[in-house]
Amino acid sequence: RKEVEQDPGPFNVPEGATVAFNCTYSNSASQSFFWYRQDCRKEPKLLMSVYSSGNEDGRFTAQLNRASQYISLLIRDSKLSDSATYLCVVNPGWDTDKLIFGTGTRLQVFP
Amino acid sequence: EPEVTQTPSHQVTQMGQEVILRCVPISNHLYFYWYRQILGQKVEFLVSFYNNEISEKSEIFDDQFSVERPDGSNFTLKIRSTKLEDSAMYFCASRGSAATFGSGTRLTVV
Repeated sequence: RKEVEQDPGPFNVPEGATVAFNCTYSNSASQSFFWYRQDCRKEPKLLMSVYSSGNEDGRFTAQLNRASQYISLLIRDSKLSDSATYLCVVNPGWDTDKLIFGTGTRLQVFP
Repeated sequence: EPEVTQTPSHQVTQMGQEVILRCVPISNHLYFYWYRQILGQKVEFLVSFYNNEISEKSEIFDDQFSVERPDGSNFTLKIRSTKLEDSAMYFCASRGSAATFGSGTRLTVV
């Protein structure tokens, strides 16, 4: 099983749509969870950290289910500028601070 | 907003040559990292660095690679005897509450 697994997409959605991305991770000892966004040939940029209680930042909502080892990202009212690849990123344990990246889910928002 | 700075943005080198990729992390961050991303693939961890020493490295980070913090601001990745398969985007990152990535160096080995 891959350490961090995501549906690669692409997800093609119209402006204004709500879209959800899912991610699963294999290591139950994983400690920290993040969503990064990556534009084509650019660096990953932190979108939001993911907390056990769930968290929201404007149009973006992230959820963590430790029992199912599952992370989600919900984007409401999609904008053209949301078009990017969304990376699920996990710190796999207490004894490490490296980040494990998923392959990313590509989102294309069309007018 | 503080940022991680990487130079050069693009480096072309001949197979077998040595390259040094440079990074200036965010000034009050203590943890530094190198990651790489081969075109079309996921971002992969190479090495983490804390308190002037390597704290962790991946199986990719073999004797061909080395890192150094030569002064109080720069953090470098040296790749000796480059191979074609070293062609990738190399990202430096530094960490406060979360990792911030530089804009990367695209390394092309010909």
